Amino acid sequence: GAVVSQHPSRVICKSGTSVKIECRSLDFQATTMFWYRQFPKQSLMLMATSNEGSKATYEQGVEKDKFLINHASLTLSTLTVTSAHPEDSSFYICSAREGQNYEQYFGPGTRLTVT
Amino acid sequence: GNSVTQMEGPVTLSEEAFLTINCTYTATGYPSLFWYVQYPGEGLQLLLKATKADDKGSNKGFEATYRKETTSFHLEKGSVQVSDSAVYFCALKSQAGTALIFGKGTTLSVSS
Repeated sequence: GAVVSQHPSRVICKSGTSVKIECRSLDFQATTMFWYRQFPKQSLMLMATSNEGSKATYEQGVEKDKFLINHASLTLSTLTVTSAHPEDSSFYICSAREGQNYEQYFGPGTRLTVT
Repeated sequence: GNSVTQMEGPVTLSEEAFLTINCTYTATGYPSLFWYVQYPGEGLQLLLKATKADDKGSNKGFEATYRKETTSFHLEKGSVQVSDSAVYFCALKSQAGTALIFGKGTTLSVSS
């Protein structure tokens, strides 16, 4: 089946620094990638949707200048959390979809801790 | 707006017990409905899906039927195994939308 990887799996950073999370589709071309945030015992909340070569579409309430998303190729999307604060600590999950196929394939997630 | 509500967990069962995880949804039109499973340390995997009313999705012994009249998509399995221990998410995709809307997830723990 289709595989999506995320790197790193865990990251700890200091408040005020930026951290980049990578999401890769390993065996298919991901024309659309999604970024989710998951709080403990909460649902996955969609942050943004990105199409290869286009600017990401952010959900209401998500700061685009804080959560920078780049989808420069059909196999890679990155999420950069800028000027991180402790409240940004969370589990970030990406998913990818090939073409108009509605099935999304999910990465294993990245645990971000901001100290 | 569209939303998914699923039963709170955790659900703790003995091996071979019957499992039901309730899921109801709110959506306009005819959404597609999904169950995803997340095993410890892994990403979400599609377990089963149904795209229209009265469809039954099934996989690995799990079943769920798309009930338009009750706006439900309950997950069932007749005999759970220890290896079924995971977090289960109910989700929908609206007819017009591209993204999935998830419930909060239900943790299932099965003991031998």
